[in-house]
Amino acid sequence: QVQLLQSGAEVKKPEASVKISCKASGYIFTNYQIHWVRQAPGSGLEWMGIINADGGSTTYAQKFQGRVAMTRDTSTSTVYMELSSLTSDDTAVYYCARGPLLRLSLDYWGRGTLVIVSS
Amino acid sequence: DIQMTQSPSSLSASVGDRITITCQASQDITNYLNWYQQKPGKVPKLLIYDASNLETGVPSRFSGSGSGTDFTFTISSLQPDDIATYYCQQYANLLSFGPGTKVDVK
Repeated sequence: QVQLLQSGAEVKKPEASVKISCKASGYIFTNYQIHWVRQAPGSGLEWMGIINADGGSTTYAQKFQGRVAMTRDTSTSTVYMELSSLTSDDTAVYYCARGPLLRLSLDYWGRGTLVIVSS
Repeated sequence: DIQMTQSPSSLSASVGDRITITCQASQDITNYLNWYQQKPGKVPKLLIYDASNLETGVPSRFSGSGSGTDFTFTISSLQPDDIATYYCQQYANLLSFGPGTKVDVK
């Protein structure tokens, strides 16, 4: 079955960076894209960007341009999302989610990684 | 950027009621619109893709319609298990989500 296994919770200080992993299994990794979506406490869903698992091309939401980097390792079917220059506004649950190549719907989601930014 | 709005922001209805949520895009998105359900403390789940197509395994009481800028999501007979927040999401230009509609059962 399709699974997206995310790394554990993180606590970071302001100005630090965080790198979260998302290990895919149960499907052909390179046939799909991986999206990252975050959800601040009590708030809605915010799309951060997408990486094509095959070629590694990325597209980021304008809000995160210059501060986010998404990479993938096809040998381990793992995608990484690194967010830098953290502030308290980045405190959120970060989800990875699988998306088909031809339709930008998110059909399988990881369980989420809580990132807390606090001094 | 395409902005998505939803109404109402919350609603409370009785078991068996028909409920409708509307989603409006700031510009024409044809049918590039998906709907998700997020139960409290859980991960979002895709219910409807391309405005009106039911994802595999999703009960038929859920449906979606619309095109262009105006879309609706309907639960034909509300069940206690449907307590959740529902989000629309466009992908005509990158992706963005609506603010969500919280559904409660009276």
